[in-house]
Amino acid sequence: AQSVTQLDSHVSVSEGTPVLLRCNYSSSYSPSLFWYVQHPNKGLQLLLKYTSAATLVKGINGFEAEFKKSETSFHLTKPSAHMSDAAEYFCVPSTGNTGKLIFGQGTTLQVKP
Amino acid sequence: GAGVSQSPSNKVTEKGKDVELRCDPISGHTALYWYRQSLGQGLEFLIYFQGNSAPDKSGLPSDRFSAERTGGSVSTLTIQRTQQEDSAVYLCASSLGYGPNYGYTFGSGTRLTVV
Repeated sequence: AQSVTQLDSHVSVSEGTPVLLRCNYSSSYSPSLFWYVQHPNKGLQLLLKYTSAATLVKGINGFEAEFKKSETSFHLTKPSAHMSDAAEYFCVPSTGNTGKLIFGQGTTLQVKP
Repeated sequence: GAGVSQSPSNKVTEKGKDVELRCDPISGHTALYWYRQSLGQGLEFLIYFQGNSAPDKSGLPSDRFSAERTGGSVSTLTIQRTQQEDSAVYLCASSLGYGPNYGYTFGSGTRLTVV
């Protein structure tokens, strides 16, 4: 079964500095992986997805993630953090053929002025 | 519609009462999913639909919870004899198809408070 580990429950950066949210997956085959974001008191929004078409995936709001099979990682990055990026971020694998997504605890991103 | 619509956005109910939560998916989206998010918890999968069928109900916490979908569109999640532990945000999502490559579009959720 597929699973992911978000290595940090909380990340704090200063505005204008790079963002790195780490995600490692465990799977016997290349999974489909998604990053979702949830702003306070808002619903979840799909940031980007990896489905084996390309290892470097660009998403919305300047975020991107690179699938590295050798490291079994799918870290989310952004060159320059903005205050509006403060939110909860979820790295989520797709399970089996149903598309069911199993969410973990996520990473809270704090952006300081 | 343009997005996934859920109603009501907020619901306060007395313990023991039944509630119905509604989800209008994006037109043409065949897959529909219900999740629950409790305070301090992650998202908990409840049930998903392929068309009007629910192949996976494994996440429903008890037999007080049921869901249906009609016309391959609107879905309702019903909670009977509500308990305080049912208080949570109930999120609905839909996707164009079902399979590992489809991302979800989520609604804004229904915040249920059982008093």
